[in-house]
Amino acid sequence: QKEVEQDPGPLSVPEGAIVSLNCTYSNSAFQYFMWYRQYSRKGPELLMYTYSSGNKEDGRFTAQVDKSSKYISLFIRDSQPSDSATYLCAMSGGTGGFKTIFGAGTRLFVKA
Amino acid sequence: GAVVSQHPSWVICKSGTSVKIECRSLDFQATTMFWYRQFPKQSLMLMATSNEGSKATYEQGVEKDKFLINHASLTLSTLTVTSAHPEDSSFYICSALSQGLANLNEQFFGPGTRLTVL
Repeated sequence: QKEVEQDPGPLSVPEGAIVSLNCTYSNSAFQYFMWYRQYSRKGPELLMYTYSSGNKEDGRFTAQVDKSSKYISLFIRDSQPSDSATYLCAMSGGTGGFKTIFGAGTRLFVKA
Repeated sequence: GAVVSQHPSWVICKSGTSVKIECRSLDFQATTMFWYRQFPKQSLMLMATSNEGSKATYEQGVEKDKFLINHASLTLSTLTVTSAHPEDSSFYICSALSQGLANLNEQFFGPGTRLTVL
């Protein structure tokens, strides 16, 4: 079993739709939860991070962490074609220290 | 946000030759840098953790004699792929931990280097 599971997609939605991206994990020691966006042939860029459980909102993006279920989500409201990218969840902390484990990434296509 | 650069962004080399990739933190000091490899449509796989002034820590299955890492200063880490073979062709990405943000485990990623070995 992988430490972090993420459906690679692709996920195709119409412009304006609400997008839900999810990851599950097995290591209960993770404390930091991140979402990265990666455009084709570019390095990942941090979108949001959350410490422990809870919700965090930033503009059209909302990150949720449910440590009891070992489940994290990223919601994108009013999706735009420019949101088309690969979204990677990532986790670190606990006994692993700074070592970050990435999900496989979900490819998102937002159609105009 | 903090900026990390990589050079070169793209390199083609012949099988058997060595290639050096540089990773620089431009506006902050990074005691810790990471090197990742990413194959097409796959996620980032951590190769090694590079600590300034000490030996790198390699992940299981990564040959330290093949992938030489040097972190000689707080702003520069290099990855040298020695005796490269076609199976080493991949997208290599570095990241750096900002000291000021170390507690947040935030990594700043470089733009990546695409290596093609013929």
